[in-house]
Amino acid sequence: DQQVKQNSPSLSVQEGRISILNCDYTNSMFDYFLWYKKYPAEGPTFLISISSIKDKNEDGRFTVFLNKSAKHLSLHIVPSQPGDSAVYFCAASAVHYKLSFGAGTTVTVRA
Amino acid sequence: DAGVIQSPRHEVTEMGQEVTLRCKPISGHNSLFWYRQTMMRGLELLIYFNNNVPIDDSGMPEDRFSAKMPNASFSTLKIQPSEPRDSAVYFCASMVAGGTYEQYFGPGTRLTVT
Repeated sequence: DQQVKQNSPSLSVQEGRISILNCDYTNSMFDYFLWYKKYPAEGPTFLISISSIKDKNEDGRFTVFLNKSAKHLSLHIVPSQPGDSAVYFCAASAVHYKLSFGAGTTVTVRA
Repeated sequence: DAGVIQSPRHEVTEMGQEVTLRCKPISGHNSLFWYRQTMMRGLELLIYFNNNVPIDDSGMPEDRFSAKMPNASFSTLKIQPSEPRDSAVYFCASMVAGGTYEQYFGPGTRLTVT
């Protein structure tokens, strides 16, 4: 049962433009959300997170938005850079240790 | 600062053989996780340790899989006997329990069972 869904398997964006990655979840008990970035042959690395008490969190070029009523979150990357080309995973937690991951979105930043 | 260390990075073995994957968490982290990534199922949690004690092993697929954490700096995931469907990338992750929920992942072990 996939509780976290990333419906876009891939995204291609031009360098300098905005990348928007989307994630939907079904479990209303989730109260913490994270985005991870993964390069080939490496483990996922933590990017940014948001608690359910907030609707926005920003860290440099990365901003995560949370819409609890829609059970939807998104990651905005502005401006996109070639080094941002990677697989991005959305994850959610209802119990502090247990992360449920989405299937991932592959982002390709074109020069 | 060293991150999570996993060994081996690649393992190729024949069906029926025993496989042991190793993990050294980040120093000071008291929670350790084993994950498996496959195309079909994505990233799934196998087992979670807190202070070296297994807390949640509900994700361990079957009795062929076992995990141990004899001390705070070492954990193993063993598959005995291995089967072709165990082929996957296995990640170890660690974090500080009670802090933020951020888990730090190792580079993974790519297991191929022929």
